[in-house]
Formats: sequence, structure tokens, C-alpha cells
Amino acid sequence: NAGVTQTPKFRILKIGQSMTLQCTQDMNHNYMYWYRQDPGMGLKLIYYSVGAGITDKGEVPNGYNVSRSTTEDFPLRLELAAPSQTSVYFCASSYSRTYTDTQYFGPGTRLTVL
Amino acid sequence: GQQVMQIPQYQHVQEGEDFTTYCNSSTTLSNIQWYKQRPGGHPVFLIQLVKSGEVKKQKRLTFQFGEAKKNSSLHITATQTTDVGTYFCAYSNFGNEKLTFGTGTRLTIIP
Repeated sequence: NAGVTQTPKFRILKIGQSMTLQCTQDMNHNYMYWYRQDPGMGLKLIYYSVGAGITDKGEVPNGYNVSRSTTEDFPLRLELAAPSQTSVYFCASSYSRTYTDTQYFGPGTRLTVL
Repeated sequence: GQQVMQIPQYQHVQEGEDFTTYCNSSTTLSNIQWYKQRPGGHPVFLIQLVKSGEVKKQKRLTFQFGEAKKNSSLHITATQTTDVGTYFCAYSNFGNEKLTFGTGTRLTIIP
């Protein structure tokens, strides 16, 4: 299994541009999550999904959108990028029906907005 | 509201010394998990604690969950250079099972 994969690894955006961060998992996990990690800080939950077609906001959803059309994929969309969105973005997934199961993380996307 | 503090924020130790990080909550937690993130890497799950007073060991790592389920600790005995990284606790509460990550403790080792 590849686990959780994310693309791209790095990206530089100009203010106002848009982009989609891709996340795919091949573990047949129901739950998927997007986090952002600012330099030297912890992880903040942006959005999460409990299954295909179901998404919900986390702690810091403003400026982002998600969709979950399949079990495997959970893309994160940034519209009108701002410097405050410069961060490392991690996608994660878990199997259990409870939120408290082990989360498996992807390698991250390092995004800079200039 | 709930306050969960992870301390210390940074710890520098000589190789071979012990290291401990703590996660302290103002309210009872339903469970706690610990993750390690190597520099430039992604968080990797280490352990989950669920029961009051639970103690689990993984080689040189000892994890504890307090009797009141309000605090937890991760202790590393005789640190090695491979222990470098940031250690996060992640917790959830009864009635709100979403996992929230602590701010992390960054461990650096002086050879």
C-alpha cells in the first residue's frame, strides 16, 4: 500500500491565485482530514470527511473548500490565495467509525503565497 | 472552555539524558494519542491511551495517562540522536470525539 499520498510536494502561488491540493489514500479509510501546520506550530484542522459525499468544517476552514466524491480522494481547494495561507498542508486518514482512531498522514505540501 | 497545554515547548538535552513532555488538560479527556514528527517530515502515530492510570512502554519510550484522565506524559530514557523531532499529544473529549493536536514539544539532542 502507498498509504496517503499528496501532490504537489511544493508550490509557490501569487496572491489571488487558486489551486487544488490533491490527497489520495489506498487503505479504504472512511475518515479523511486536512490540517495546516504553520512554522514551529501544531496542527490545525481545516476540514474533515466521514465518508464519500460528507464533509464538515474544522477549526480553520475560511479560505478553503473540499469535496469527497470517492472514498480514496479528498482534494483541498484554495481560492484567492493570501500570504496567511503560507503553510505546510497535511492530509490524513483513519479507518474507524470513531474520530479517535489512529491517523495516517501524507508527506505534506509546502505552500508559499507571495 | 477547555484548556490543554503541552509543555515544554522546546527541550535541548545531551545525548544519553532523559526527556519528558507533558500534556495537561483542565477537563477530563476520553483518550490521548502521541505522535512524533521528524524535522521536515510528517506526524507518525506512536501510541494511544484510553484507560485511567494506563502506562504503556515502547522500548525506551514510556507513556502514561493520569488517574483523572486530565494529563499524560511521554518519557524517553537515554535519548539518542534518532529521537530528534517534535512530539505531539492529540486528544479528544467525551461528547466531542474530534481529535485536537497539542502545540508540540521540539526535542533537540546535543551529541
